[in-house]
Amino acid sequence: GEDVEQSLFLSVREGDSSVINCTYTDSSSTYLYWYKQEPGAGLQLLTYIFSNMDMKQDQRLTVLLNKKDKHLSLRIADTQTGDSAIYFCAEINGANNLFFGTGTRLTVIP
Amino acid sequence: GAVVSQHPSRVICKSGTSVKIECRSLDFQATTMFWYRQFPKQSLMLMATSNEGSKATYEQGVEKDKFLINHASLTLSTLTVTSAHPEDSSFYICSARENSYEQYFGPGTRLTVT
Repeated sequence: GEDVEQSLFLSVREGDSSVINCTYTDSSSTYLYWYKQEPGAGLQLLTYIFSNMDMKQDQRLTVLLNKKDKHLSLRIADTQTGDSAIYFCAEINGANNLFFGTGTRLTVIP
Repeated sequence: GAVVSQHPSRVICKSGTSVKIECRSLDFQATTMFWYRQFPKQSLMLMATSNEGSKATYEQGVEKDKFLINHASLTLSTLTVTSAHPEDSSFYICSARENSYEQYFGPGTRLTVT
C-alpha cells in the first residue's frame, strides 16, 4: 500500500528559508501536493506538481520532485511568522484519492 | 482557489443523538466530494467518497450506517453522524474536487459528544 513520510517538526528563524521534505512509495502517482493547515482550520492547497515535472515555482514556494528517489520537497523562501502551520504532503493513490503524509509542524521563530 | 464551506464549525451534542454536517462548494461544481476525519496531532483519514446522485464509497473500517453521507447536488454533501458517542468526537473535514487534480478543503467541523 501507499505510504507518505514526513519529518514531524521543523523550526526556522524568520527570514530564513524552510525546506520540508516528503518521501512517498506509490510510483504511479500522477500529482503530488502540498497543503497547509493552520490551527483549528481546514487544509489550504498551496501547490501541486505533475509527476513529469522536476520543479515548480510559485512566488516564495518552490517544489522539487525527484521521481527516481520518490522524494518531494517544499521550499519556502523568506519564511514569515504567518507561515507557521502544519504542512501536509499528499499523493493521488491508485484509487484516485488523496493520501496524506503525517504532516510537518513548521515553527517560525521571530 | 475555489471555496468550500462547512456548517457548523463547532457542534456539541449529547450521546445518542444525531448530528448533520453540511459541506458546500461555493463557486464550482464538485464532481466528487470527500469526508475526512482528523484526530489531534494526526493526519487526515479518508472516511468516504461520494459522487452526486450515487451512493458513497466508504473506506475500510468506516461504518456506513453510522456515518450517513448524502450527496444531494453538485454543490452539497452532508455527513450525518448517527447515535453519536464520545469516541465519535473529532474534527471532520470535507473536501470537493473541481477537476481531476484540484481538490479543495472546507474549514472543518469540531464535533464534541458529551
